[in-house]
Amino acid sequence: ELKVEQNPLFLSMQEGKNYTIYCNYSTTSDRLYWYRQDPGKSLESLFVLLSNGAVKQEGRLMASLDTKARLSTLHITAAVHDLSATYFCAVVLKTGTYKYIFGTGTRLKVLA
Amino acid sequence: GEEVAQTPKHLVRGEGQKAKLYCAPIKGHSYVFWYQQVLKNEFKFLISFQNENVFDETGMPKERFSAKCLPNSPCSLEIQATKLEDSAVYFCASGGHLNNEQFFGPGTRLTVL
Repeated sequence: ELKVEQNPLFLSMQEGKNYTIYCNYSTTSDRLYWYRQDPGKSLESLFVLLSNGAVKQEGRLMASLDTKARLSTLHITAAVHDLSATYFCAVVLKTGTYKYIFGTGTRLKVLA
Repeated sequence: GEEVAQTPKHLVRGEGQKAKLYCAPIKGHSYVFWYQQVLKNEFKFLISFQNENVFDETGMPKERFSAKCLPNSPCSLEIQATKLEDSAVYFCASGGHLNNEQFFGPGTRLTVL
C-alpha cells in the first residue's frame, strides 16, 4: 500500500528565513502534486511534478521531484506571513485507479 | 461550469440521521473523485466515477455510505445513519482524463452531533 509521509508536521518560522518541507512516498509513482490549504478552505494547486528531476518555481516556493529516491521537496525562500497555511503533497497511485494518496500535511506558520 | 461546485457548504445532522452531499464536476470532465478530510487533516479516498460508472470504490465504508453519478444530475454522496466519526469535510474533485490533475471543489463540512 502506498504511504506518503511529510515532515515536518508543524513548522514555525520567522519571516525572511528559508526552509524545506519533505514528502517521502513508499512505492513507485511519477506524478506528484503540491497543494496549499488555508483554514476552512479547499485545496489550491501549487505545483504538478510529472517526471524525475522536475523542478518548478513560483514566487518564493520551489518544488522538486526525485522519483528514484521517492522524494519531493517544497522549498520556501525568504518566507512571508502570507505563506502561512497547510501544505500537502499528493501522489498518484497508478495501479489502475489514479486516486490521490495525500501526505500528512505540514502546517506552516510564518511569524512577523 | 469552470469550477467544481459542491452543496451544501455546511450540513449538521444528529447521530442516526441521513446526510446527502452533492457535487457538480467541471463541464466536460468524465471523472469524479470523493475524498474525506477528518479533523487531523488526514485525507481519505472514498470513491471515484467514470461518468455514471463506479471506477474505484475501495475506500467506501459499504454499510452506510453510497454514491451515484447520474446523467444530467450532480453526483451525490449519501450517508445513512450518520455517526459522530463521519464528521469531516467531504471534497469532490473532477478530472478530464484519468491521469490528469484533479480539480477540487470547496468541500462540504458535515457535523454530526
